[in-house]
Order: sequence, then C-alpha cells, then structure tokens
Amino acid sequence: QQQVKQSPQSLIVQKGGISIINCAYENTAFDYFPWYQQFPGKGPALLIAIRPDVSEKKEGRFTISFNKSAKQFSLHIMDSQPGDSATYFCAASSTIQGAQKLVFGQGTRLTINP
Amino acid sequence: GAGVSQSPSNKVTEKGKDVELRCDPISGHTALYWYRQSLGQGLEFLIYFQGNSAPDKSGLPSDRFSAERTGGSVSTLTIQRTQQEDSAVYLCASSRQSGGLRYEQYFGPGTRLTVT
Repeated sequence: QQQVKQSPQSLIVQKGGISIINCAYENTAFDYFPWYQQFPGKGPALLIAIRPDVSEKKEGRFTISFNKSAKQFSLHIMDSQPGDSATYFCAASSTIQGAQKLVFGQGTRLTINP
Repeated sequence: GAGVSQSPSNKVTEKGKDVELRCDPISGHTALYWYRQSLGQGLEFLIYFQGNSAPDKSGLPSDRFSAERTGGSVSTLTIQRTQQEDSAVYLCASSRQSGGLRYEQYFGPGTRLTVT
C-alpha cells in the first residue's frame, strides 16, 4: 500500500519559471511532512518541512502548501535555477516516542533548462 | 560539523556472501534510521533505533537482514546470504530532539551494494 503518492515523476521547467510538485497521503496520523532534495550519488538533503497546524511555509524560493482536509501538500520552487535540477522526494511520518519513520513518495526528477 | 558518514561507499559482493554496512551518526543524535533506495521501490524504511529502546525492525524485508547499534552511536546493517534483489543504495539517517530542529533526519551519502 503506497501511503504517499507523488506527481509528476519527471518535470522540465525553464529557468526562472515555477516548479510545482504534488503529494497526497492517506494516513491521517501523519504529523510531519518534509521535502528532500537529492543529487546523483548523494544522500537526500532536507529542503523544507511543515506540520499540519499551518497551511503554508516559505523558505527563500521554496514554499510548501498544505491542505489538511484534502490530505495533499505541494512544493513550489520559485525562480527555478539550473542548480535546482535534482530529484525531489516528499515524505510523511507520524511521531512515535520522539522519532519517526519516514514514508517517501516515489520522487520527481526535476530538470531546469537554462 | 561532521555529518552522517557511511562505509564503504560502494560494495560489490557475490550472491550468497554476507555483507556489513556501517553508519556513523551525527554526534548527539539519539535516533538512527536505515533506509533502502532501489529503482523499483524508491526509498523504503528498514529499521530504526531510538535511545535505549528496543529497535523497530518492522521494515526489514527478511530475516537475512539484521542491524545493531553499539553504545548508542555506530550502527551496522548486516545482510546474510545476499541475493541479487538486495542490490540497492543503503542510506543511514540520524536525528535528535532539540527545539526547532527536532525530528529532522539527516542522511548520509549511502552505500551502493551490488550483488553479482
């Protein structure tokens, strides 16, 4: 059972454009929603994260929008740059005793054309 | 400061052999996780250790997989009698509870395992 569904699988955006990646989850116990960025040959790096008590979080060019009722959240990358070309993973988890097991989406390969 | 380190970075082994993968978490992090990243399955949770609590092994795919964490720090993931389907990148992550940084998991670079 795939608990976090991510789309699209791949995305091509022109430099300066807005990149949008969407995720939907099923488990209403999830209370933490991070996005990770991964470059080839590297481990995932935390980009930005949100908790369900807010509907939006912005850090620089990256924004998470969260819709609790629809059980959906998305990543927006404003003014996309070639250096943003990477694979992006959404994830979700439920806090258990101070730690959590992340459930990941399948990933989106983002390409920013110069 | 130093991040999560993993060794070896690459491991090629023959089918049926045992392998050990090592993870050094960030100092002071109480929780340690192992994930597996493969083409067909994406990123999947394997096991986590939290402080002195019993580990959560619910993600281990078979009894050929085991892990231990010594002294609340270094962890070793062992795969016995490796199979070709075990080929993947094995990722380790650690986290701590501390104010605004609680629950963030920091990943190591991974160990790429190839079973021939």
